[in-house]
Amino acid sequence: QKEVEQNSGPLSVPEGAIASLNCTYSDRVSQSFFWYRQYSGKSPELIMSIYSNGDKEDGRFTAQLNKASQYVSLLIRDSQPSDSATYLCAVKGYGGATNKLIFGTGTLLAVQP
Amino acid sequence: NAGVTQTPKFQVLKTGQSMTLQCAQDMNHNSMYWYRQDPGMGLRLIYYSASEGTTDKGEVPNGYNVSRLNKREFSLRLESAAPSQTSVYFCASSERLAGYTDTQYFGPGTRLTVL
Repeated sequence: QKEVEQNSGPLSVPEGAIASLNCTYSDRVSQSFFWYRQYSGKSPELIMSIYSNGDKEDGRFTAQLNKASQYVSLLIRDSQPSDSATYLCAVKGYGGATNKLIFGTGTLLAVQP
Repeated sequence: NAGVTQTPKFQVLKTGQSMTLQCAQDMNHNSMYWYRQDPGMGLRLIYYSASEGTTDKGEVPNGYNVSRLNKREFSLRLESAAPSQTSVYFCASSERLAGYTDTQYFGPGTRLTVL
């Protein structure tokens, strides 16, 4: 079982819709969770981080964390064609060997105009 | 601030050649990282440096060496390049390795092809 799993997609949504991206992780000691956006041919850029159970909102983006079920999700409201990119979920433990960032393989999002 | 910079942007090598990828950050970060990204494999950690003067192996260190030259610079060396090392290489930095809120910032990447 991979440590961080994401559906590779592509996830296709119409412009203006809500895009829902999901990520599951295997290590229960994981403490920190990050969503990076990566445009084709570019480097990853951080869009959200979340550390506590529940929802965290930032503009059109909402991150949701459920540690008991070991999943984290990213909702993008009012999706725009400029949101079309690969979204990487990354998970980090705390202390010792677990303090490195582990990335999923990413979900490709395509927003159709 | 430039953030994290990498040179070169593109490189083509022949099997057996050597080269060094350069990375520098101007954010006064303590920790620096080298990743490779391959299709379907995601980002995989090659080596990291928790602080100046220390380096440690990541998930896929074979065939690579690193040098933390000073707090700003962290280089990755391929001593004898192999086609399996064809990849996109990203350098990243963060304030510190152990903090759970620690965020990594990425450079623009180096696209390396080994023939």
